[in-house]
Amino acid sequence: QVQLQQSGPGLVKPSQTLSLACAISGDSVASNSAAWNWIRQSPSRGLEWLGRTYYRSKWYNEYAISMKSRININPDTTKNQLSLQLNSVTPEDAAVYYCTREQHGFDYWGQGTLVTVSS
Amino acid sequence: QSALTQPASVSGSPGQSITISCTGTSSDVGGYKYVSWYQQHPGKAPKLMIYDVSYRPSGVSNRFSGSKSGNTASLTISGLQAEDEADYYCSSYTSSRTYVFGTGTKVTVL
Repeated sequence: QVQLQQSGPGLVKPSQTLSLACAISGDSVASNSAAWNWIRQSPSRGLEWLGRTYYRSKWYNEYAISMKSRININPDTTKNQLSLQLNSVTPEDAAVYYCTREQHGFDYWGQGTLVTVSS
Repeated sequence: QSALTQPASVSGSPGQSITISCTGTSSDVGGYKYVSWYQQHPGKAPKLMIYDVSYRPSGVSNRFSGSKSGNTASLTISGLQAEDEADYYCSSYTSSRTYVFGTGTKVTVL
């Protein structure tokens, strides 16, 4: 059974970098049949896809157009996890952040991390 | 990328059928078979109910079905039950190689 365990701070100061990790068990971040995504949810913006990483003989990253300039999603094969870095955060980045596996749809989700942006 | 359009709320009595629509464009819903639906109860992560327009993951009740016509996808819940009361979201792959979600629909069982 696939499990995704998220970790990272729930409070980030404005203009700083949001960093979250997602540890994968029951599958591999380097799987040739899955992609690993970050999605967030807030009352004002609803569900919002942020980006993904996946391996198909080489690594690929794809990001939401609105995020491209300040987001990085990286796989870590040694720890079998993926990470999210979102730079220059503002209060609009406050949300619950989820990591998900995508194989046929987003079929497995992490527990969610509530991130508050405040000084 | 604009969110896909869903009705804000849909309601039905136990045992009835309801349908939730999800309207996009030819650049997302109309252009790809990668439409999926998610159920979310309060305080929980979304749960995959339908993928690739009409396929059910293992363990999802066959009371849930999906379809698509043109730029609009639909989720039908038949034999409505109290446990189906939740928020529902659609999602589609897009021509920008990204994903977009719907605005969400609150299902109320009367």
